[in-house]
Amino acid sequence: EVQLVESGGDLVRPGGSLRLSCAASGFTFSNHWMTWVRQAPGKGPQWVANINEDGTKRVYVDSVKGRFTISRDNDKNSLSLQMNSLRAEDTALFYCARWSLNDHTPDYWGQGTLVTVSS
Amino acid sequence: QTVVTQEPSLTVSPGGTVTLTCASNTGAVTSGYHPNWIQQKPGQAPRALIYGIYKKHSWTPARFSGSLVGATAALTLSGAQPEDEADYYCLLYFDHRYGDAWVFGGGTKLTVL
Repeated sequence: EVQLVESGGDLVRPGGSLRLSCAASGFTFSNHWMTWVRQAPGKGPQWVANINEDGTKRVYVDSVKGRFTISRDNDKNSLSLQMNSLRAEDTALFYCARWSLNDHTPDYWGQGTLVTVSS
Repeated sequence: QTVVTQEPSLTVSPGGTVTLTCASNTGAVTSGYHPNWIQQKPGQAPRALIYGIYKKHSWTPARFSGSLVGATAALTLSGAQPEDEADYYCLLYFDHRYGDAWVFGGGTKLTVL
């Protein structure tokens, strides 16, 4: 069974940093692109970042470029999102999701971890 | 800036049929946008229902179908059930001209009433 479990969400002050993790199981993690998607309270989802199978290609939404870094550890079946210079508008539930093999679709999602940026 | 537009809300009667649409400000939606339809129920994580315009995941009920209608991607629900009441988001891919980005639409709140 495919499982994605996010962790690391917390209350952080503006300008602070936080690192999110996503533990993957039930599939060959190193074969899949992975993604982070966030959802602000009461809003729709927003794609944040993608990373390819071996971590050599990373793509970000413009609003997080230079502040967020997506990474992965294929030996530990783990996906991460390092978030720096956090702003109030980064407050959201952050989901990790798996891109399916050979199809452009996020087929499995975690339950999310909440990041709150507030003073 | 890439913008994906959906109807903010729609209502369908139980057993009825409804079509949700998804438009891009960059032009007609085609297969190259890899359109996905994502369902989200209150308190739950999003879940992809349709991808590649019309392809279904193993968990996608048969009453959902995807297509291209004119310049838009479309999600048609035929024979609506009360459990289909949810928010539906279109997800499109914008290529290197637009930063290799994925963009969600604003979502359609579907009421089954």
